[in-house]
Amino acid sequence: DADVTQTPRNRITKTGKRIMLECSQTKGHDRMYWYRQDPGLGLQLIYYSFDVKDINKGEISDGYSVSRQAQAKFSLSLESAIPNQTALYFCATSETGTGVTGELFFGEGSRLTVL
Amino acid sequence: QKEVEQNSGPLSVPEGAIASLNCTYSDRGSQSFFWYRQYSGKSPELIMSIYSNGDKEDGRFTAQLNKASQYVSLLIRDSQPSDSATYLCADSPGGDNDMRFGAGTRLTVKP
Repeated sequence: DADVTQTPRNRITKTGKRIMLECSQTKGHDRMYWYRQDPGLGLQLIYYSFDVKDINKGEISDGYSVSRQAQAKFSLSLESAIPNQTALYFCATSETGTGVTGELFFGEGSRLTVL
Repeated sequence: QKEVEQNSGPLSVPEGAIASLNCTYSDRGSQSFFWYRQYSGKSPELIMSIYSNGDKEDGRFTAQLNKASQYVSLLIRDSQPSDSATYLCADSPGGDNDMRFGAGTRLTVKP
């Protein structure tokens, strides 16, 4: 089983619908992240959490919200999906600050299409 | 806006050649630099990190950092078809600060 698991792996939805992407990890890391990947734009940080009570906005948090339900679970929600949120979403964990080792452990990705 | 820039490619090299991937960054305060490899349809994985000026070698991979010129490069010696992937460059001011990713360079190694 993967250390970082994302569900669903693929989702097609319509504009205005609420969508939740879930992430769970067995690595025991406190730090969890949600990234978005678009062709030609690389990975952009949406939200990150250093522990259950710590949630921080990333560079593109507008239109998204998150919930850290437990050390191992970090969910991303789109309250009212729009077509330009069509992208590949990655959850990731790290053991230390990413500026220290740079090592992020990524899930397999969730491909979201908003029609 | 602090940025990390990479040529999107595709970069094509024959098997056995040296592949050279380049990256520039705009934040002079960046302290840490990373190369991730992402196979098509897969998630990124860290392959190299470098923190000091100069070269760092790991097997067939060499990362090079020049802070004065604000560029980072990745050399892949004896390129193999299995090296065909997108390579993402990233930087960070260090510590708990965020990493910033470039858009990636797609490398194809032809048998």
